[in-house]
Amino acid sequence: GAVVSQHPSRVICKSGTSVKIECRSLDFQATTMFWYRQFPKQSLMLMATSNEGSKATYEQGVEKDKFLINHASLTLSTLTVTSAHPEDSSFYICSARFLAGDATNEKLFFGSGTQLSVL
Amino acid sequence: AQTVTQSQPEMSVQEAETVTLSCTYDTSESNYYLFWYKQPPSRQMILVIRQEAYKQQNATENRFSVNFQKAAKSFSLKISDSQLGDTAMYFCAFMKHQLAAGNNRKLIWGLGTSLAVNP
Repeated sequence: GAVVSQHPSRVICKSGTSVKIECRSLDFQATTMFWYRQFPKQSLMLMATSNEGSKATYEQGVEKDKFLINHASLTLSTLTVTSAHPEDSSFYICSARFLAGDATNEKLFFGSGTQLSVL
Repeated sequence: AQTVTQSQPEMSVQEAETVTLSCTYDTSESNYYLFWYKQPPSRQMILVIRQEAYKQQNATENRFSVNFQKAAKSFSLKISDSQLGDTAMYFCAFMKHQLAAGNNRKLIWGLGTSLAVNP
């Protein structure tokens, strides 16, 4: 089945540094990828929708300059947390849309997540 | 705007028993998808079951089945013969159909139900 690879799975960084998280669709082309943030024991909060070759669409309240998203190819989207601070510590999850054939065969696959800890 | 409500923050069930998780949603759309996702302690999001709104037949996947009541906007998940590995957070989610809304659709998530399967 379709697989989404997300790296790194865990990262610890100092306050003020930038961190890049990669999300790859391994055996399918994903024109659309989604980036989520999840706090402990809470639901997923959509941060942005990433479309290949175009600018990401950010949800209200999400800082575009803080969370840079690049979707340069059909199999790779990256999320860069710039000038990270302790409040950015969270679990980040990506998801890729798989669409084969008609619209009834659409599925969403998730990466395994990245736990970011900012000291 | 669409909303998804899961009214049971926590539930528990004995191994081998049956449990039903509730989900209601609100939408003015006539064509859409509904999902149940499982997030075990590993935090990997796993698709449990998917229902297309235009299909009246309830979706089933082995021990997992749904009771989809479109008029009542209800989408409950029944887990039969519960196993210890079913212990997880379960999220109900809604998404518009592609034909209705194109590629910039997103999953609307419920807050989740934490299910504990006891030995």
